[in-house]
Formats: sequence, structure tokens, C-alpha cells
Amino acid sequence: NAGVTQTPKFQVLKTGQSMTLQCAQDMNHNSMYWYRQDPGMGLRLIYYSASEGTTDKGEVPNGYNVSRLNKREFSLRLESAAPSQTSVYFCASSEWAGGSDEQFFGPGTRLTVL
Amino acid sequence: DAKTTQPNSMESNEEEPVHLPCNHSTISGTDYIHWYRQLPSQGPEYVIHGLTSNVNNRMASLAIAEDRKSSTLILHRATLRDAAVYYCILNPRNQGGKLIFGQGTELSVKP
Repeated sequence: NAGVTQTPKFQVLKTGQSMTLQCAQDMNHNSMYWYRQDPGMGLRLIYYSASEGTTDKGEVPNGYNVSRLNKREFSLRLESAAPSQTSVYFCASSEWAGGSDEQFFGPGTRLTVL
Repeated sequence: DAKTTQPNSMESNEEEPVHLPCNHSTISGTDYIHWYRQLPSQGPEYVIHGLTSNVNNRMASLAIAEDRKSSTLILHRATLRDAAVYYCILNPRNQGGKLIFGQGTELSVKP
């Protein structure tokens, strides 16, 4: 039982390049989330998916797109990376239970945009 | 969105209890109070949550004020492995799990 896995662990991009961050969970959770964490800050929600086939914006969606490929996988795409997107990206999943659910987080992807 | 206020940092001695406070004066009746912690270079991990009553689990206890405008996370015996950033978060019943993280409290534990 791996929980939430993320690939890659580290990535360096040049400004304008694109990439996709992958996330998968093996807990059969309906809800999945993408957060970013800048140095010394708390996490901020980028996008979330309440169930397979649905996605919605969080606090900071600009510059990102997401795909809920199936129940297990939720990917985050940067179409044209900018230095402001240098951050640590965390994926999470939960079985939504009206506020009492626990979110499980992956180990993160450390992205640097030069 | 209801917000929480926590001290930026706290210190504790190993094997002593730690009380981490959180203020959430604008909490609504359907907001759950969640605590997560983040160890260095790791993703956050769930600690505990509650709605109105005090809660205990194997990691910690959560004491919720009667008016629900504040809560306290209690670590009964701090260990060096408890050094982390602790986040107090309100999880509304109708928000689909969209957690709003503040800056949290950085707990350091001295041997």
C-alpha cells in the first residue's frame, strides 16, 4: 500500500518549458488535490477534483491545468513555466466525508524554474 | 473563508507536554477543526480533528473551547520526532475538502 505517490521528485525547467507532474493514489479515494508550498509558507490549493471526471479551481490556479485521468490519477500541467512557479508541489487524496475526512499527502515534487 | 491564528513558533523540552494554541473566532457551526503537521522535507500528515467535543487519538489530544472560537492541540510527551510545523485548519462541511493552510506553528523540541 504505497498511499500517494508523486513523480518526479525533483525537476529543473527553463522559463517557457512545459511539464506534467504525476500523482497516483491506491486508497480508492474519490477526492484529490494539488497544493503548492513556497519557502516559509503554508500550502496553497491549486486545483482539486471531488470525483473522477470533475475538477475545480482552488486559491492559485493561474498558470496550471489539471486532468483527472481516472480515479487513481490526477496530473498537474504547467504549459509555460515561469520562475514564480518555483515551489514544492504536493498532491493529496481523501475520501470526502463532509469535513471530517483526513487528507493523505504525497512526498512532494521540488520544481525550480530558471 | 474562516481563518485561524497560531503563534509562529514554540519550544518544548523532550518528554514534557506541549500545548499548541489556535484561535478561530470566525468559525461557523459546520466547520471541523483539523490539525496537520509537516516534518522537515515531507508532506503534511494528519494529526487529529474534531467538531465540538474534545478528541483523543494515539498521536495527540484536541481540546475545543466551549464557544469553539479556539482550540488546543496537546502532545502529551514531546519527542524529538515531534519537531515540525503544526497547522490548525478549518474544514467546512460544504467546501469539498479545500483546506486553507496558514503559516502554522513551528515546534522545536530540546533534548
